[in-house]
Amino acid sequence: GDSVTQMEGPVTLSEEAFLTINCTYTATGYPSLFWYVQYPGEGLQLLLKATKADDKGSNKGFEATYRKETTSFHLEKGSVQVSDSAVYFCALSDGGNYQLIWGAGTKLIIKP
Amino acid sequence: ETGVTQTPRHLVMGMTNKKSLKCEQHLGHNAMYWYKQSAKKPLELMFVYSLEERVENNSVPSRFSPECPNSSHLFLHLHTLQPEDSALYLCASSQTGGGTDTQYFGPGTRLTVL
Repeated sequence: GDSVTQMEGPVTLSEEAFLTINCTYTATGYPSLFWYVQYPGEGLQLLLKATKADDKGSNKGFEATYRKETTSFHLEKGSVQVSDSAVYFCALSDGGNYQLIWGAGTKLIIKP
Repeated sequence: ETGVTQTPRHLVMGMTNKKSLKCEQHLGHNAMYWYKQSAKKPLELMFVYSLEERVENNSVPSRFSPECPNSSHLFLHLHTLQPEDSALYLCASSQTGGGTDTQYFGPGTRLTVL
């Protein structure tokens, strides 16, 4: 079945460092891909998404490109801030039903 | 109130208690979801309702019983829970439930079963 694999955390960086959080997937069709973020004490919120190959999603300085050839959707940001500290979830939808397939989440810690 | 709200935010219950979790969405959406979030595990979808009809039920034990009286409200009734049911329970909603829909989440109810 479909699955999503994220790099294990926590990932600890200094402020202004470059961020990459890896996400790879397996799917039989042409899924849509998502990054959600969960700040401490809150629910998840959509960060960005891409619905077809080579699409780039972007929001709040974060970017991710849907790479069909490598089945990846890595999250990047050029210069992280302390306020980016959160748990990041990669997810996919095959569009066939209501269910998103979720990665386990990657905790990001940014030190000043 | 805006977005998705959940009450209570924290709940401690014994294994013989009966309690209910409440979720309300103020977004005019037609689909609502219950998820279980446990440490270091992917989010587990428990139930999905679309237009007040249950459309997904992912092999959830019968000690969890959902109720969706209208498209804005969703409940999760709990009885005779086990300690392994301790987790963060998240409610979400989306416009239609379609594959590319954005899901909007509430802050969750942190449940502890003693």
